[in-house]
Amino acid sequence: QVQLQESGPGLVKPSETLSLTCTVSGGSLTSYYWTWIRQPAGKGLEWIGRIYGSGHADYNPSLKSRVAMSLDVSKNQVSLNINSVTAADTAEYYCASSTGSASHEWLDPWGQGTLVIVSS
Amino acid sequence: DIQLTLSPSSLSASVGDRVTIACRASHPISTFLNWYQQKPGKAPKLLIYAASTLQSGVPSRFSGSGSGTDFTLTISSLQPEDIATYHCQQSFTTPYTFGQGTKLEIK
Repeated sequence: QVQLQESGPGLVKPSETLSLTCTVSGGSLTSYYWTWIRQPAGKGLEWIGRIYGSGHADYNPSLKSRVAMSLDVSKNQVSLNINSVTAADTAEYYCASSTGSASHEWLDPWGQGTLVIVSS
Repeated sequence: DIQLTLSPSSLSASVGDRVTIACRASHPISTFLNWYQQKPGKAPKLLIYAASTLQSGVPSRFSGSGSGTDFTLTISSLQPEDIATYHCQQSFTTPYTFGQGTKLEIK
């Protein structure tokens, strides 16, 4: 059973880079693909992007110029970086395993999430 | 981007009631629609994928239907533990998008 755990600094200053890590247990990074999602307090969910076991990534165009995802197979970790952050990037950040069949894709399981606040 | 509109945005119902939540897509998405349940302070949990397939371990009182642009999530007999916010998500084309959520409360 795959389990996910997000970690990273809870406070980031404006204009700096937000860096989060998702540690995967119970599964191989190369066997799935991995998605980051965020949720501002009291608001809906936003798909940030996904990274395949090969290292190829797809990003949301709304963030594409600022976001990067990567894999560290030796540590079984998935990383998310968002640069030039503003208060609008304040949110709960989740990683999730993407799985599917017959071209359908769904997110299961999810990590517990980590809150990131952008403030000076 | 494909927009998903959930209705109602909030709902109050009694234990034992049949509850229906609708999700409408701005463009046809076949059956590329998933439903998630999010309890307060928790991460979302997958309920239904591919519009109508119940995820393993999810109670059978939950069901999903629809294709194209109109989808529904139904709880056949509401239980107290079903209090949560429900999200729909399309996986037809990236960027994948979610509806804004329907908050379900007990009357």
